[in-house]
Amino acid sequence: GAGVSQTPSNKVTEKGKYVELRCDPISGHTALYWYRQSLGQGPEFLIYFQGTGAADDSGLPNDRFFAVRPEGSVSTLKIQRTERGYSAVYLCASSLNLGLTYEQYFGPGTRLTVT
Amino acid sequence: GENVEQHPSTLSVQEGDSAVIKCTYSDSASNYFPWYKQELGKRPQLIIDIRSNVGEKKDQRIAVTLNKTAKHFSLHITETQPEDSAVYFCAASEADFNKFYFGSGTKLNVKP
Repeated sequence: GAGVSQTPSNKVTEKGKYVELRCDPISGHTALYWYRQSLGQGPEFLIYFQGTGAADDSGLPNDRFFAVRPEGSVSTLKIQRTERGYSAVYLCASSLNLGLTYEQYFGPGTRLTVT
Repeated sequence: GENVEQHPSTLSVQEGDSAVIKCTYSDSASNYFPWYKQELGKRPQLIIDIRSNVGEKKDQRIAVTLNKTAKHFSLHITETQPEDSAVYFCAASEADFNKFYFGSGTKLNVKP
C-alpha cells in the first residue's frame, strides 16, 4: 500500500513568513510523529499524536510551532514568523503502536529553507 | 530528558569486514531501541530493534545487543557489503512510545 507522504517536498520562504507542512500517514496508523532533521544530525522529536490529540508536544522549540491532526489522519505542522535557524528537513512518521507493532514509517520529508 | 550518544560519527571498513556502532542512553525508563538506516537523500528505514527484556537480537547479517545495566546498545553488521554504506541512527523510547530520542548518526563507508 501507499507509504507516508509529505508535501511539499521543498519549501523556500522568507524570514518572518508563515508556512504549513503536510503529512499523510499510512492508512490506519493511529500514531503520528513530527521530527526535524538538521544536516548531519539525527531526527529531533517535535510532537507526537495518538489519534486526534497531541499526546506529547514537549519537543516543539517555541510557540511559533504548532501542529494539528483534526480527523486523526492527515497532520499539518504550522510554523509562524519563520527564522533562518528553522531551515531543516521536517520528517513525519506514522506507526500502528498496537500490541507489539510499533515500527515507525517515515515520509520523504519536507526540506524547508528560510532565506 | 533522555540523551542518546552515538559513536563513531564515521566508520570506514573493507568489504567483508564487520562494523560495530555503539550508543549510550541516560534514562533508565527507556526500553525500546530501534536502529535506522538512512541512505543519502532518502528517508530513515528501520533495520532492527530490541526491547529491554531481550539482550540480543539477530537478523541475518545484522545484530543488536543491549546492556541495560550499563545503558548501552550496539549494532553489529557482519560481512559488510558496499550497499551497507549509509548513515545509521540509533534511538531510544519509553514504553509508551510517546517520543523517540535519536543519536547523531554514524556514516558507514564500505570500501569494495
